[in-house]
Amino acid sequence: DTGVSQDPRHKITKRGQNVTFRCDPISEHNRLYWYRQTLGQGPEFLTYFQNEAQLEKSRLLSDRFSAERPKGSFSTLEIQRTEQGDSAMYLCASSLGLGLETQYFGPGTRLLVL
Amino acid sequence: EDKVVQSPLSLVVHEGDTVTLNCSYEVTNFRSLLWYKQEKKAPTFLFMLTSSGIEKKSGRLSSILDKKELFSILNITATQTGDSAVYLCAISGYSGAGSYQLTFGKGTKLSVIP
Repeated sequence: DTGVSQDPRHKITKRGQNVTFRCDPISEHNRLYWYRQTLGQGPEFLTYFQNEAQLEKSRLLSDRFSAERPKGSFSTLEIQRTEQGDSAMYLCASSLGLGLETQYFGPGTRLLVL
Repeated sequence: EDKVVQSPLSLVVHEGDTVTLNCSYEVTNFRSLLWYKQEKKAPTFLFMLTSSGIEKKSGRLSSILDKKELFSILNITATQTGDSAVYLCAISGYSGAGSYQLTFGKGTKLSVIP
């Protein structure tokens, strides 16, 4: 399968714990995006990488959130000291990086904070 | 701030009906408008529209963009139960940071009953 993959697909954690999600983009894609989606809403942009550089972060991304893409391939999104309000689907997308382009989404990681 | 409004928010039709989903937007510097289909998982890409008046078509689905009036429509003819999903409209606009983030609407939930 050559699509975007995410791991884990589901995560249940207790409030205050740290969690980390991984995203593997389509192999030739140099742009990678993280979005968050809650019930009844469309995805909301969190952050964006071009290769290994994190070029933009949404104001939704509080200090408890950090994302990396160390070698310009896979990316991780870490949430520290999780809160119940962090419960959502975390979606990763990638795109080729040649101008007008389509973002292709992974299956998402569904996070539940108890 | 970019904004996308979709209507209706939900729609129930019978198999064989034709439906029209609406998307209006506000964006500082328009780049493209995208339609995605979301079943209980990640959004899957349907169309990207960049020029006004040009219809994109794929089987029973078609979409058109009006850049002057700032809206797009997605048509589905001869609906089938497999068309039941949330249809998301998203805008990509140029930003000073060079980001290609998408701004999504809340989606239209389409239910096709036999």
